[in-house]
Amino acid sequence: EIVLTQSPATLSLSPGERATLSCRASQGISSYLAWYQQKPGQAPRLLIYDASTRPAGLPARFSGSGSGTDFTLTISSLEPEDFAVYYCQQRLSWPITFGQGTRLEIK
Amino acid sequence: EVQLVESGGGLVQSGGSLRLSCAASGFSFSGYWMTWVRQAPGKGLEWVASIKEDESAKHYVDSVKGRFTISRDNAKDTLFLQMSSLRAEDTALYYCARSLSAARISFDAWGQGTLVTVSS
Repeated sequence: EIVLTQSPATLSLSPGERATLSCRASQGISSYLAWYQQKPGQAPRLLIYDASTRPAGLPARFSGSGSGTDFTLTISSLEPEDFAVYYCQQRLSWPITFGQGTRLEIK
Repeated sequence: EVQLVESGGGLVQSGGSLRLSCAASGFSFSGYWMTWVRQAPGKGLEWVASIKEDESAKHYVDSVKGRFTISRDNAKDTLFLQMSSLRAEDTALYYCARSLSAARISFDAWGQGTLVTVSS
């Protein structure tokens, strides 16, 4: 099983600041990584797939990078609605696994 | 508009059974892998099971193998999860989710979830 480790567990920032979230895989997963955002009481929302591809309509302030074992989700300038929990997910092999999440909170 | 609506959750005793359903609309259901993902209260996301478009392939997380069965009815645009021998640790909000494509098991559409509570 591929283990995904996200860091930090909690990130405290202010609106307008840049957020950098990390996801590390226990073995190489090429670019088979996705990122999701989840707000309280809501279902997750796909932000990035294949490590760096944004779905249509997603704001350009969200970007993903990385390959192999180390991945980054960057939010260039935080908006109030971006404070949420973020998960990474690998699709290289079964079982599909998620990271434990990073909580992005308002400082 | 893509819509996924789960139903069938509820309170069940340990060892009991439940059948979850997910009604899909707004897209060609038979053309997509579908998946169940769960989230225990206050916890993270856990993949549970996925099924290929024509049911020719099914995959499960180890903790539910032999107890849960994923299936689908493409004529009725509905996904199912039959759960038996339920345990307290199966308590969670169960989401159904659509995969981006057959080659990309990442999830671009989610339902709002149905809550399963297993009492011990």
